[in-house]
Amino acid sequence: SQTIHQWPATLVQPVGSPLSLECTVEGTSNPNLYWYRQAAGRGLQLLFYSVGIGQISSEVPQNLSASRPQDRQFILSSKKLLLSDSGFYLCAWSPAGGVYGYTFGSGTRLTVV
Amino acid sequence: TQLLEQSPQFLSIQEGENLTVYCNSSSVFSSLQWYRQEPGEGPVLLVTVVTGGEVKKLKRLTFQFGDARKDSSLHITAAQPGDTGLYLCAGGKYGGSQGNLIFGKGTKLSVKP
Repeated sequence: SQTIHQWPATLVQPVGSPLSLECTVEGTSNPNLYWYRQAAGRGLQLLFYSVGIGQISSEVPQNLSASRPQDRQFILSSKKLLLSDSGFYLCAWSPAGGVYGYTFGSGTRLTVV
Repeated sequence: TQLLEQSPQFLSIQEGENLTVYCNSSSVFSSLQWYRQEPGEGPVLLVTVVTGGEVKKLKRLTFQFGDARKDSSLHITAAQPGDTGLYLCAGGKYGGSQGNLIFGKGTKLSVKP
């Protein structure tokens, strides 16, 4: 069966520090991968998605970047965090095409102080 | 811009009551999913509907896709405290941007014992 792992669960970082959040998927190959940010208890904002190794599409200009160094690994990064980067970050995967629903990781609560 | 409007935004009811939440759009979707999210966790896929007029049941939850595939509803019978959470709908389109889903902002449900 397929599983998705996302870590860390919580993170407190000072303004100006770097960020690296990692997401890995097991039990499938060539998945679509997604990074979302969620405002407090509300809707999901798509940040990045990837349909293959090295292929990254950005939905929202921001202080963040994403990379996919391996088929089932998706990394969200920042060189210098801003206070506004605080939020709940979710990784998700879907089979290629993805219209039949996503499987989400358990999320990372990022607080920038 | 394609939007999915969910209503109501907030709903607080007593255990045992019935409720319906709605997801509406002016766009036609190939599929529509419902997710439930608990605080501090990622959303969990409940159901996917793909045919206009389709009705699916999951224990006390009934999901319906509108005939024109522009809207959907979720009905919960005899709500229980365990139903508490954020309910998100998401629409997908074949041929859409790499299979991306469009998410509504959610309905936050609280069921009091």
